[in-house]
Amino acid sequence: GIQVEQSPPDLILQEGANSTLRCNFSDSVNNLQWFHQNPWGQLINLFYIPSGTKQNGRLSATTVATERYSLLYISSSQTTDSGVYFCAVKNYGGATNKLIFGTGTLLAVQP
Amino acid sequence: EPEVTQTPSHQVTQMGQEVILRCVPISNHLYFYWYRQILGQKVEFLVSFYNNEISEKSEIFDDQFSVERPDGSNFTLKIRSTKLEDSAMYFCASKRGQDYEQYFGPGTRLTVT
Repeated sequence: GIQVEQSPPDLILQEGANSTLRCNFSDSVNNLQWFHQNPWGQLINLFYIPSGTKQNGRLSATTVATERYSLLYISSSQTTDSGVYFCAVKNYGGATNKLIFGTGTLLAVQP
Repeated sequence: EPEVTQTPSHQVTQMGQEVILRCVPISNHLYFYWYRQILGQKVEFLVSFYNNEISEKSEIFDDQFSVERPDGSNFTLKIRSTKLEDSAMYFCASKRGQDYEQYFGPGTRLTVT
C-alpha cells in the first residue's frame, strides 16, 4: 500500500520563527489533507490540498502531486502552534476512500 | 459551522465488556469513517460506511467490531468484547462526497483495564 513519510519527526522552535514540514508519499493521490493534533488530542483540519498552493493566515501549504510531496509552512510561530502535524492522503484510483496518515511531525514552540 | 460530535469524550471499561462509541456526523455528509490512534502512534483507518453499508474495512476491524447508523443521524462503533490493546483514541469522520475533505470529531479516549 501507499507509504506516507513526514519530516522532520521532531522540531523545536523559538516563538516567531518560521518552519517547513514535509510530507512524501509513494504513489499517486487525489486527496491530501494536513491536520494539527492539539495537546487535547483533537485533529484540526488545516488544509485540503490535493494539488497547488493554499494560504490561511500564517499557514500555507503546497502540494506537488507529480513529484509526490507536500509542504506545510508555518510563519511567525506561536506557542499555540505546538502539537503534532499530520498529513493524510487518499490513494488515487480504486474504490478506496480511506485516508492514510503519515508518521507526524511533533512541533514544540518555546516562548 | 457544522462539526462532527462524539460521545463520550472518555470511556473506561473492563476487559471483556462491550462498549458503544457514538458519533453524529455533519448532517449533509454521505461518507462516514472510524479511525483509531494508539497513544504515541499515527492515526489508523478502521472502517468506512456509505449508503448504509460497510464499503471498506481494515485488518484491525475484525468480528469484535461493528458499525451501525441506526437513525439517519447517529453513527456508532461497537466493540463486543474489549481487550487491553483496544485502548486508544477513536475518531469518527465524515465527508460530503467522493472528492471532498474528511472532517474529524474530537475523539473518544477508550481505556480498557
